[in-house]
Amino acid sequence: AQRVTQPEKLLSVFKGAPVELKCNYSYSGSPELFWYVQYSRQRLQLLLRHISRESIKGFTADLNKGETSFHLKKPFAQEEDSAMYYCALSGLSGGYNKLIFGAGTRLAVHP
Amino acid sequence: DVKVTQSSRYLVKRTGEKVFLECVQDMDHENMFWYRQDPGLGLRLIYFSYDVKMKEKGDIPEGYSVSREKKERFSLILESASTNQTSMYLCASSPGHLLGKKLFFGSGTQLSVL
Repeated sequence: AQRVTQPEKLLSVFKGAPVELKCNYSYSGSPELFWYVQYSRQRLQLLLRHISRESIKGFTADLNKGETSFHLKKPFAQEEDSAMYYCALSGLSGGYNKLIFGAGTRLAVHP
Repeated sequence: DVKVTQSSRYLVKRTGEKVFLECVQDMDHENMFWYRQDPGLGLRLIYFSYDVKMKEKGDIPEGYSVSREKKERFSLILESASTNQTSMYLCASSPGHLLGKKLFFGSGTQLSVL
C-alpha cells in the first residue's frame, strides 16, 4: 500500500538556521514525489517535484530510493518560510495515479 | 492562472442534513478531486473524477457522494451529515496528463456539523 510518513508535526527553528523536513514513503513501484506548501491564509500549492531536480525558494529535495526518503532541505531558513508543508506521493492505485499526502509538518521560523 | 473556486468558505450544518459543497475550475481541466484536511492526518482523498460523469472512489468515500455533470464543476454531497464529517474540504483540479500529480487547489470550505 502507498503511504507517506512525516514524523514531525512541528519544526521550530531560528532565522538563518538550516532546515530539514523529513519524509519517508512506502510504495512497491517507482514513485513520483512532491512537496506541497500552504502559507497562512493561502491555498495549498506545489513547491517542487523530484523529477524536476530544481531548487524553489532555496528548497531542494532528493529522492533516496534506498532509504525511501524525500527530505526537504534549505540551508538558511527565512521567516517567510513559515508554513505547513506536505510531502506527497503519486503512484498507481486501482488503475489510476493517485496523489497521497503525508500528515504534514508545520515549519515555524523565528526571528 | 488556474482558478479553482469553492462556493463557501465556512458552512455550519446540523446532523442529518444533506450538504452540497460546490467547486468550479476555469482551466478546462479533465481531472477534479475532493480531499478533506484534518490536523494530524493530512489530506485524504474522498473522490476524484477524470471526465464528465465519471467518478472514482478515493481512500475515504464512505458517507459521501459526488456529481460531475459539467467539466468545470465537481460537487461533493454529504447525504446525511454527521459530526465526524466536520473538517476542511479542499477541491482540486489538474490537466489530463497530470492525473494524480500536479494539483491546483481551491481555498477550502470549513464545514462544521453540529
